[in-house]
Amino acid sequence: ETGVTQSPTHLIKTRGQQVTLRCSSQSGHNTVSWYQQALGQGPQFIFQYYREEENGRGNFPPRFSGLQFPNYSSELNVNALELDDSALYLCASSSEDRGNSPLHFGNGTRLTVT
Amino acid sequence: SQKIEQNSEALNIQEGKTATLTCNYTNYSPAYLQWYRQDPGRGPVFLLLIRENEKEKRKERLKVTFDTTLKQSLFHITASQPADSATYLCAGSTRGGFKTIFGAGTRLFVKA
Repeated sequence: ETGVTQSPTHLIKTRGQQVTLRCSSQSGHNTVSWYQQALGQGPQFIFQYYREEENGRGNFPPRFSGLQFPNYSSELNVNALELDDSALYLCASSSEDRGNSPLHFGNGTRLTVT
Repeated sequence: SQKIEQNSEALNIQEGKTATLTCNYTNYSPAYLQWYRQDPGRGPVFLLLIRENEKEKRKERLKVTFDTTLKQSLFHITASQPADSATYLCAGSTRGGFKTIFGAGTRLFVKA
């Protein structure tokens, strides 16, 4: 069973630039959620994709967008980067889009915006 | 707003003792509470899920409770070991919900 993998592991960008982060979900999982985790904080929900459709979104502006592909892998895109976007971005897959389905996380992408 | 709150102070205990971590929720009625372990530089790892109609759940040295009256979950690690040192995250989710809300986590240090 292949776990959740994310790429790249680290990234440094300049304010105003755009970034794309990638995630391969665990085999057999059709749901992907993205979280932002600032230092010393818990993960904050960005959005969730289920069968290639966004089916829920947290309090993040539209410059945070995503995609899910037919093989259930996913991308997170962030436009017009701001310094406060510096964080660990976590992808999590689950077997269903319901609350009783545990999340399986990757090890994240550490994004630094300068 | 919906909140999951955990004690932000680190918990220091001696090896062999029981560690007890607290999770409270406000403005929220989760149907499920989940506990995750997170090591530095790694993603969270799922440990246990408990349903609102379950009082207690156990897995090996771990025990979690769900008290809907107090709006609280307790997470216990018995016979703790230095390898249990990590940050433990509490998370809540609703029955049909897509969003799992996390607390900020509690750091646990187990001394040999």
